[in-house]
Amino acid sequence: NAGVTQTPKFRILKIGQSMTLQCTQDMNHNYMYWYRQDPGMGLKLIYYSVGAGITDKGEVPNGYNVSRSTTEDFPLRLELAAPSQTSVYFCASTRTRGGDEQFFGPGTRLTVL
Amino acid sequence: AQSVTQPDIHITVSEGASLELRCNYSYGATPYLFWYVQSPGQGLQLLLKYFSGDTLVQGIKGFEAEFKRSQSSFNLRKPSVHWSDAAEYFCAVLEGNDMRFGAGTRLTVKP
Repeated sequence: NAGVTQTPKFRILKIGQSMTLQCTQDMNHNYMYWYRQDPGMGLKLIYYSVGAGITDKGEVPNGYNVSRSTTEDFPLRLELAAPSQTSVYFCASTRTRGGDEQFFGPGTRLTVL
Repeated sequence: AQSVTQPDIHITVSEGASLELRCNYSYGATPYLFWYVQSPGQGLQLLLKYFSGDTLVQGIKGFEAEFKRSQSSFNLRKPSVHWSDAAEYFCAVLEGNDMRFGAGTRLTVKP
């Protein structure tokens, strides 16, 4: 199993550009999450999904969108990139909600200039 | 909403010394508590977790943590630190579908 994979690893965007961060897991997990990690701030939840077709906002959803058309994929969309979205983005998945270990991808480092 | 506090931003210990990383949370019920470790440039890896039962939980890599309800704490410990333990450590609390993370403690290990 590859676990949780994320692409790209690095990306530089100009203000106002859009992009999609890809996340795929091959563990047949129902729950998937997107976090952003800023220096000294820990991880903040952006969006999560409890299964295909079901998504919900986390702590910091503004400026982002998600979709979940399959169990495996959970892409994160930035429509109008802003410097405040410069961060490291992590995707994670877990089998159930009840405290199962979250498996994390390697992260995407995004810079918006 | 609950919160997670890791009071120490950065800790330096000598190799072979003991380690304790602090974590405090605010939550009404008995929470699900976690410690994760992040090596540079990597994602997070679970060290251990607590849901209920024995308040002292054992994790991977020789780590343990103790849940103290009276102090709202879940401190991480290791009796003898190895150079490879240098990393960032995150305490986290699960509320519903939302995992809340502390800001992290960066551990430096001196030779």
